[in-house]
Amino acid sequence: QKEVEQNSGPLSVPEGAIASLNCTYSDRGSQSFFWYRQYSGKSPELIMFIYSNGDKEDGRFTAQLNKASQYVSLLIRDSQPSDSATYLCAVRPQKNRDDKIIFGKGTRLHILP
Amino acid sequence: DVKVTQSSRYLVKRTGEKVFLECVQDMDHENMFWYRQDPGLGLRLIYFSYDVKMKEKGDIPEGYSVSREKKERFSLILESASTNQTSMYLCASSFPIGDTGLAGDYEQYFGPGTRLTVT
Repeated sequence: QKEVEQNSGPLSVPEGAIASLNCTYSDRGSQSFFWYRQYSGKSPELIMFIYSNGDKEDGRFTAQLNKASQYVSLLIRDSQPSDSATYLCAVRPQKNRDDKIIFGKGTRLHILP
Repeated sequence: DVKVTQSSRYLVKRTGEKVFLECVQDMDHENMFWYRQDPGLGLRLIYFSYDVKMKEKGDIPEGYSVSREKKERFSLILESASTNQTSMYLCASSFPIGDTGLAGDYEQYFGPGTRLTVT
């Protein structure tokens, strides 16, 4: 069974520091990788996606992908209290028309003021 | 802006009732999804649809059915609600993002969710 694993946390990080969130996946043929942010009581929203090995940067966020080791990570630089949320890693196992993706259970991040 | 709306934010139903959860998107997206989200279990896919009148089972379809008569509307039906179906239900539709060099990739855009309580 295809799985996406994340540490549930909570991960506590001081304001201004770098938050590092990690995710591993079981299907070596996975194509695309996503990070969603979910604030308490709200629905998930996409913040990053990556499909090639290496780093992808967008503002304070950097997604890192290592297909050989089957992990994807999200770095948040200069962490802010507004970054406190649950971060969901999601993986597209293969390129299908149906666009089905598999979500991890999420990591709760708490930024300490 | 993409808009995915769900018919209710909060719903309380009795065991055995038939429950309809409605989802509407306004961006002509082909793919639509129903998930439930529970503490410690994460997001689990119930059903999805990639075209009108088309449906595919997700990971946990038991006890649920769906209907997609129009492209913009995807309904989730609980034929006979049970207490273990108390959950947050999230609808999503997806649209292309970026350029993956393959056939294109999709972002799933979620509605606000319906918190269903079955008593």
